[in-house]
Amino acid sequence: DADVTQTPRNRITKTGKRIMLECSQTKGHDRMYWYRQDPGLGLRLIYYSFDVKDINKGEISDGYSVSRQAQAKFSLSLESAIPNQTALYFCATSAGWTGELFFGEGSRLTVL
Amino acid sequence: QQQVKQSPQSLIVQKGGISIINCAYENTAFDYFPWYQQFPGKGPALLIAIRPDVSEKKEGRFTISFNKSAKQFSLHIMDSQPGDSATYFCAASFSSNTGKLIFGQGTTLQVKP
Repeated sequence: DADVTQTPRNRITKTGKRIMLECSQTKGHDRMYWYRQDPGLGLRLIYYSFDVKDINKGEISDGYSVSRQAQAKFSLSLESAIPNQTALYFCATSAGWTGELFFGEGSRLTVL
Repeated sequence: QQQVKQSPQSLIVQKGGISIINCAYENTAFDYFPWYQQFPGKGPALLIAIRPDVSEKKEGRFTISFNKSAKQFSLHIMDSQPGDSATYFCAASFSSNTGKLIFGQGTTLQVKP
């Protein structure tokens, strides 16, 4: 089983719908992140969390919200999806101040 | 101030050749510079990283060269192999939170047999 698991892996939805992407990890890391990947733009940080009670905005948080349900679970929500939120979304974890990022396999979201 | 610019966007190299990918950053306070490798259908994975107190770091066929005065760093892949074909991302951050990365735009490398 993957250390960082994302569900769903693929999702097609319509404009205005609420969408939740879920992430769970078995690495025991405190820190969790949501990144968005777009062609030609690289990856951009949406939100990150240092622990269950600590949530921080990243570069591009507008239109997104997150919930850290437990140390191992971090979900990303789009309250009202729009077409320019079509992208590949990655959850990642890290340990401590100097830990490398460990990414999940991504959730591809298409908003029609 | 927060941007990391990466070039080229795509690169084709013959097997056995040297692949070179360049990145430039603006914020002189950045002090952690990793490279991530991503295969199709997978998430990025850390390849190699450097801090500005050294000018070069080598791990196997992969080398990071760092030029602090020019605010540039590059990845060199020696003896490139078809298995190296992937997308490569440079990134920068602060040591206080190495997970909060500013990524470059990515370079798609194809190594031809």
